[in-house]
Amino acid sequence: ETGVTQSPTHLIKTRGQQVTLRCSSQSGHNTVSWYQQALGQGPQFIFQYYREEENGRGNFPPRFSGLQFPNYSSELNVNALELDDSALYLCASSKGPRGGSPLHFGNGTRLTVT
Amino acid sequence: TQLLEQSPQFLSIQEGENLTVYCNSSSVFSSLQWYRQEPGEGPVLLVTVVTGGEVKKLKRLTFQFGDARKDSSLHITAAQTGDTGLYLCAQGVPLNYGGSQGNLIFGKGTKLSVKP
Repeated sequence: ETGVTQSPTHLIKTRGQQVTLRCSSQSGHNTVSWYQQALGQGPQFIFQYYREEENGRGNFPPRFSGLQFPNYSSELNVNALELDDSALYLCASSKGPRGGSPLHFGNGTRLTVT
Repeated sequence: TQLLEQSPQFLSIQEGENLTVYCNSSSVFSSLQWYRQEPGEGPVLLVTVVTGGEVKKLKRLTFQFGDARKDSSLHITAAQTGDTGLYLCAQGVPLNYGGSQGNLIFGKGTKLSVKP
């Protein structure tokens, strides 16, 4: 069973640039959720994708957007990067959006904005 | 928005010692999850507690859910260096499809360091 994989593992960008992060879900999982984890903090929910549609969103501005593909993989896009966007971005997959299916997290992408 | 408070924020102990970390909220949890996150990795689910007063054991780890379902604790017996990591508690919040897994509200975590 292949786990959740994220790419790249590390990324350095300049303020104002755009970035795309990628996530492959665990086999058999059709739901992907994205989280932002700032240094010294717990993860914060960005949004969830199910059946290629956004299924819920946390308190993040519209410059954070996403996609889910037919193979259930997903992308997180961030436009107009700000210094505060520096964080670990975690992707988690599950068998469905409903409760009862545990989240399986990838190891994250460490984004540094300078 | 319900906030989860975890304490202590940092904990440094010697191998073989026992420890307890806490997760509290002003509101009632429907259920609570505990995760461990090691440096450079994503969080890994340890346990889900659902019923008030519930106690679950995972080897040397004992998880308790308060009777009123507003607090939870994690006790580690005879800590080992492999227990080092960030311990996070999290509660699910229903999303559009009625699911409670996708949107997890996490506490800030307890950073545990176990020294040999």
